[in-house]
Order: sequence, then C-alpha cells, then structure tokens
Amino acid sequence: DIQVTQSPSSLSASVGDRVTITCQASQDISNHLNWYQQKPGKAPKLLIYDASDLEAGVPSRFSGSGSGTDFTLTISSLQPEDLATYYCQVYDNLLSLTFGGGTKLEI
Amino acid sequence: QIQLLQSGPEVKRPGASVKVSCKTSGFPFSNYGISWVRQAPGQGLEWMGWISAYNGDTDYIQKFQGRVTMTTDTSTNTVYMELRSLRPDDTATYYCARGAWEFQMPTTFDYWGQGVLVTVSS
Repeated sequence: DIQVTQSPSSLSASVGDRVTITCQASQDISNHLNWYQQKPGKAPKLLIYDASDLEAGVPSRFSGSGSGTDFTLTISSLQPEDLATYYCQVYDNLLSLTFGGGTKLEI
Repeated sequence: QIQLLQSGPEVKRPGASVKVSCKTSGFPFSNYGISWVRQAPGQGLEWMGWISAYNGDTDYIQKFQGRVTMTTDTSTNTVYMELRSLRPDDTATYYCARGAWEFQMPTTFDYWGQGVLVTVSS
C-alpha cells in the first residue's frame, strides 16, 4: 500500500505569512494528491485536487504544486480563518487511498 | 444544494454492532460513489472503503474486511455503513463523503457528511 509522510505536524505562523506544507509519497503517484482543510469540530473540506487544481469557491491564496512523490500546499498570505488542520490524501493506480498525518496550523 | 446528512451519535458496548446512515440529496445519487472515512478523537483521517451507488460494488480496506458492510438504498438515496464486533478503539467520528466524479471510484471527496460520533465503551 502507498504511504505518505506529511510535514510539519504542527506549525505556528502569523497573519500575512506565507505558509508551506509538504507531503511525500512512498512511490510515484503522478498528480494523484488532494488537499483538505479541517476546522475544529467540522468535516474536512476539499481545497486542492489533482495536486494543483483549486476547488471552486476556495480562495486563491491557496495553491498546490508537485508531481511524482513530492507535493506542496502553499497559503500565500495567511488569514485568521485559516486556523485548521490540513491533510493531504493520495491514491495510486491500484486505487489504494490514504491520508497524511495532518498539519495543525496555529495563528 | 448537495447535502449528506448523517444519523445521530451512538454509544455501543464492545462486541456490538453499529449501523450509521448517510442520506444524500441534491445530486443524481446513482451516478456516484460514496466513501466512509473515520477519525478517532484527536487523530487523523482513515479511509475505510467505498460503495458504488450505481451498481452496489464495494471495496473495503483489509483492516475492516469481515467487519464492515456498506449498502445503499436507492429509493431514499441513503448509504449505510455497518461495523460489527466493535472494540473501544473503534471510537471515532465516522464521515461519509461523495466522490467528486460520476461513475468513478471516489478518489477525491468534494462533499462530506457532518460526521457521526460512535463511542464504544463498557
């Protein structure tokens, strides 16, 4: 099964900062990676799909990049409402699917 | 609008079974796959498997094979997830999530239910 390593596990930043979260897959997954935001007590919300495509309605300060095994979620200018835990989620050609361990973002 | 509305919280004894529901609306139910994802308190997300609402096919991760059953009721656009032989470490919030693309295995989840807390305790 595919494994994914997400880092950092927690992050403290200030409003206006540029924030980067990374995920590394255990094998080449092309662009089969999605990013989700989960606010406390809420269900996850899709932010980025296929590594770099912004889900409709998601602010443009969120962006994703990468392919193969290394991927990045960037928040260009952190806002107070971005307080959340962020998860990457990968899948391979055998349709094995797994989530990263999460990054708790504190502001 | 698209909604996935899940049933209420459950408290179960070890060894019991639980069946949670996910009633959908706002989209052509039979065109999509639905996954179940769970989250233990304070922990990360764990994908459990999925069911196709268009043909009933299922796929469960090995960890849950033999203990989980996912079903659909196309008359009410509802998906069910039953987990048997519950253990305390099954205590978690269980989410249903819709696959983003029609007629495909749900590999990307665009709409989620609100979650159901299942507590397993003696």
